[in-house]
Amino acid sequence: SQTIHQWPATLVQPVGSPLSLECTVEGTSNPNLYWYRQAAGRGLQLLFYSVGIGQISSEVPQNLSASRPQDRQFILSSKKLLLSDSGFYLCAWSGARGRGIYEQYFGPGTRLTVT
Amino acid sequence: GENVEQHPSTLSVQEGDSAVIKCTYSDSASNYFPWYKQELGKGPQLIIDIRSNVGEKKDQRIAVTLNKTAKHFSLHITETQPEDSAVYFCAASPLGSARQLTFGSGTQLTVLP
Repeated sequence: SQTIHQWPATLVQPVGSPLSLECTVEGTSNPNLYWYRQAAGRGLQLLFYSVGIGQISSEVPQNLSASRPQDRQFILSSKKLLLSDSGFYLCAWSGARGRGIYEQYFGPGTRLTVT
Repeated sequence: GENVEQHPSTLSVQEGDSAVIKCTYSDSASNYFPWYKQELGKGPQLIIDIRSNVGEKKDQRIAVTLNKTAKHFSLHITETQPEDSAVYFCAASPLGSARQLTFGSGTQLTVLP
C-alpha cells in the first residue's frame, strides 16, 4: 500500500530564515505530487504541483519554491520566511495520468510557525 | 476557473441524528467530486468520492449525491457519532486533470453526545 511522509511535523522559524520541508511517497511510482497550505484550520490553498521529476507548476506567486529531485520526493523551500508563511503545510499525491487513479491522498502535514 | 462553495460553515447535531453538507460548483467540466474529513492537527482523509456518471454513492453511514444539472453535490452522514466530529471539505475536479482539485471552504461538524 501507499504511504506518504512529511517532516518535520512541527517547525518554529524566525522571520528571514530559510525553509525546507520534505515529502516522500512509498509504494507507488511516478505519482503526481502537490503542496498545499492551510491557514487558520480551514481552506486548502494549492501552492505547487508536479507531474514528474523536475516538472513544477506554481499556482500562487510568493517567496516559496518547490523542487522534485527524485520521483517520489517533493521539497518545499524558501530563502527568507515571512510572518505570513505561517500555516499548516500539506503534501499530497495522486496516481499519474493515464492510470485511471486520480484521488489525492494527503500526508500528516507540517505545522510551521514563523516568529 | 472552478469555484466551489460549501455550506454550512458550522453544523452541530445530536448523536444519532443525520448531518448534511452541501456544495455547489461552477465549472461544468468538473466530473469528479471527493469529500475529505480532517481531524484536528491531521491531514485530510478521503472518505468518499463520486464521478459524474453516478447520481449517488453510499458507504455504510455516509453517502454522496450529485446533481450535475444544478451543479451541486451533498454529503449525508446518518446515525452520527461523536467520532464524526471534524472539518469536512468537498472538492471538484475534471477527471484526468493533474491538478484541478478545487476545495470548498470546509464545514466544522460537531456531534453532541
